[in-house]
Amino acid sequence: QKEVEQNSGPLSVPEGAIASLNCTYSDRGSQSFFWYRQYSGKSPELIMFIYSNGDKEDGRFTAQLNKASQYVSLLIRDSQPSDSATYLCAVMKGSNYKLTFGKGTLLTVNP
Amino acid sequence: GAVVSQHPSWVICKSGTSVKIECRSLDFQATTMFWYRQFPKQSLMLMATSNEGSKATYEQGVEKDKFLINHASLTLSTLTVTSAHPEDSSFYICSATRGGRGITDTQYFGPGTRLTVL
Repeated sequence: QKEVEQNSGPLSVPEGAIASLNCTYSDRGSQSFFWYRQYSGKSPELIMFIYSNGDKEDGRFTAQLNKASQYVSLLIRDSQPSDSATYLCAVMKGSNYKLTFGKGTLLTVNP
Repeated sequence: GAVVSQHPSWVICKSGTSVKIECRSLDFQATTMFWYRQFPKQSLMLMATSNEGSKATYEQGVEKDKFLINHASLTLSTLTVTSAHPEDSSFYICSATRGGRGITDTQYFGPGTRLTVL
């Protein structure tokens, strides 16, 4: 079982729709969960992180964490074509700040 | 914000030469820096963890004598690819974290360096 799993996609949604990106992780000791966005040919940029069960909202983005189910998701409301990118889920465990990344989900928002 | 820069942004070199990549945290002190490599259409692969003033910790399978990492200060880490070969061609990305914030600490990524070895 991979440590962090994401559906590779592509996930295609129409402009204005809600995009839902999912991630599962295997290590129950994981403490923090991060979502990064990576445009083609660019480095990842942090969208948001979450470490408590429940929802965390930041603008059009909502991260959801369910530690019992070992599941974290990212919702993007009012999706825009500029949101088209690969979304990386990353998990941190322990105090060494190391992140374990999933392979990413490619999102395409169609105008 | 938390800005991380890398230099150069791209480099082309001949096989057998060495290439140095710099990673700087511009507006914060980074207790820990990380070096990643990413091949086309693949995810990030952590190469090593670098703490200021101490030896880097390399991930399994990464040759420490080939990928030399020096974390000289709280704002600068360098990666030197020694005797580069075409298979070392990749996108090298560094990240930095402030440290001291426990589970809320985040990694901020530099823009990456695209290395092409001919």
